[in-house]
Amino acid sequence: DAGVTQSPTHLIKTRGQHVTLRCSPISGHKSVSWYQQVLGQGPQFIFQYYEKEERGRGNFPDRFSARQFPNYSSELNVNALLLGDSALYLCASSGGGTNEKLFFGSGTQLSVL
Amino acid sequence: GEDVEQSLFLSVREGDSSVINCTYTDSSSTYLYWYKQEPGAGLQLLTYIFSNMDMKQDQRLTVLLNKKDKHLSLRIADTQTGDSAIYFCAEAMLASKIIFGSGTRLSIRP
Repeated sequence: DAGVTQSPTHLIKTRGQHVTLRCSPISGHKSVSWYQQVLGQGPQFIFQYYEKEERGRGNFPDRFSARQFPNYSSELNVNALLLGDSALYLCASSGGGTNEKLFFGSGTQLSVL
Repeated sequence: GEDVEQSLFLSVREGDSSVINCTYTDSSSTYLYWYKQEPGAGLQLLTYIFSNMDMKQDQRLTVLLNKKDKHLSLRIADTQTGDSAIYFCAEAMLASKIIFGSGTRLSIRP
């Protein structure tokens, strides 16, 4: 069974550019969450989507946006990149029920120069 | 406020037990989790405990929860070199948001 898949695995951008990160959840999972992990810290919650609707949003600026598609895959978009956006971006999928066991992908390492 | 705290480092001898501690702040948390992260990898769910439980054992892993003190611990019995990783404590908040600690780096001495 395929786990959570993310693409690309690595990405280098310059300040001011825009980036799109992609995630495919585990088959049968309807919820996708996005986390940002800065080096040396724990993951920080960005968004959760369930059945294509935003269910939760963390404390991130409006430059960050996301969406979920009918097949439950998801995209995270970040506009006007800043140096501080350099991080590992993790996608996690879950069934969407009350026990939110998250299963994480390997992440996209974003470097902003 | 939302905060999960862990010590940053732990070093143990191979074969000994490792105990990683964590404190959390939200008494309404439903589930508490332990995740493992190896270098260059995503997070692997190790185990979790429901907030109305005191203890959960799963092979070499034992989770203890003291809800009164908001204290969670993970014990790894017979620690092996493959257990070297960063371990994250996390709590499930409302709206399906999970708050992670900063992680405890576990290193194993021969």
